[in-house]
Amino acid sequence: DAKTTQPPSMDCAEGRAANLPCNHSTISGNEYVYWYRQIHSQGPQYIIHGLKNNETNEMASLIITEDRKSSTLILPHATLRDTAVYYCIVKKGGIQGAQKLVFGQGTRLTINP
Amino acid sequence: AAGVIQSPRHLIKEKRETATLKCYPIPRHDTVYWYQQGPGQDPQFLISFYEKMQSDKGSIPDRFSAQQFSDYHSELNMSSLELGDSALYFCASSLDIYGYTFGSGTRLTVV
Repeated sequence: DAKTTQPPSMDCAEGRAANLPCNHSTISGNEYVYWYRQIHSQGPQYIIHGLKNNETNEMASLIITEDRKSSTLILPHATLRDTAVYYCIVKKGGIQGAQKLVFGQGTRLTINP
Repeated sequence: AAGVIQSPRHLIKEKRETATLKCYPIPRHDTVYWYQQGPGQDPQFLISFYEKMQSDKGSIPDRFSAQQFSDYHSELNMSSLELGDSALYFCASSLDIYGYTFGSGTRLTVV
């Protein structure tokens, strides 16, 4: 699976959009980009995933560049409860049963009042 | 909706004791993953099971073993516990390549 690079920490004001970047320059054609977050000591929580196209759900939007070498997770109106470590993970599609998620460093996002 | 259930939530053991952690996946999910997260660390993959067979193995010590039972629940057995085994242990389950749901974790403290 391709490696990812994320800034170690970011701050954002409450109510503003939080934009979290991720570089995955070695991503291959059948690899998806996943985003998870972990609020302090809780289990990681799925946010969103995508392959090529931009994606949006009730939690966030995912913008993937045309060359797929980087992506941005957008939390449109950040709240204090969005303070967490955000993980960008690149993973192949394929055979079920061998699809572990490999967590890298992640970005510690702090939402300030 | 049913989530991944882990038990116990907290566990305190002495060095050299054994511990068993349990994980009950979401109904119909056929794959279970175990992760260990030390203080200030990112979750580290230990082992996974697909349809009751071990499907992948990570940095799991030989002192640890795990299995998935016929009802798809899984147990992580840890023997000869060491102080360094103190960590959060998460279980996740999935049915397809997209949906991974994590439990709330078991906090193991070895004293």
